[in-house]
Amino acid sequence: AQTVTQSQPEMSVQEAETVTLSCTYDTSESDYYLFWYKQPPSRQMILVIRQEAYKQQNATENRFSVNFQKAAKSFSLKISDSQLGDAAMYFCAYGGTNAGKSTFGDGTTLTVKP
Amino acid sequence: DSGVTQTPKHLITATGQRVTLRCSPRSGDLSVYWYQQSLDQGLQFLIQYYNGEERAKGNILERFSAQQFPDLHSELNLSSLELGDSALYFCASNRGGGSYGYTFGSGTRLTVV
Repeated sequence: AQTVTQSQPEMSVQEAETVTLSCTYDTSESDYYLFWYKQPPSRQMILVIRQEAYKQQNATENRFSVNFQKAAKSFSLKISDSQLGDAAMYFCAYGGTNAGKSTFGDGTTLTVKP
Repeated sequence: DSGVTQTPKHLITATGQRVTLRCSPRSGDLSVYWYQQSLDQGLQFLIQYYNGEERAKGNILERFSAQQFPDLHSELNLSSLELGDSALYFCASNRGGGSYGYTFGSGTRLTVV
């Protein structure tokens, strides 16, 4: 079974600064997908970014980018130019190619300080 | 609006009771997933349906059951409720494969008193 580990329960960043959230995973599959989701205080879960394991290029969505290290099974999220609206809980998730369900990490709560 | 509709948004009920949570997936999505999120906790996978059939099951209690109907909406039934069942229940949908991310509904906040 796949596991996803987020070792940082809480992180904080100064507004306009850059922060990196860590995620590691364990799998025996060679092809899979990784995701970061954001859950703001409203509790609505929002897909932030998606990475295909067979692509070496790191995914980027505006101020959000990932550092995907397949051999190390690491998938970190970098948020540049942090904004107050980035304050949320962030979940890393793993999706296999066969199974539809995703496995989520326990989340990292990000605080953005003005 | 994500396109995934969950009702009701809030539910308060007594221990021992039974409730039904409803989810309508985003248009075109065939798969529905149910997750439970207890206070400040991660998401626990309950069950997945694909085009009316059960596809995967997680740590879902025997007191809980679900189904997906021909119009693809899904219902999660929780019975003999206990205080520990109080949580946020999310429904998510996608086209069916693990390569797709989820579109989540806004959740149903269940409080058992």
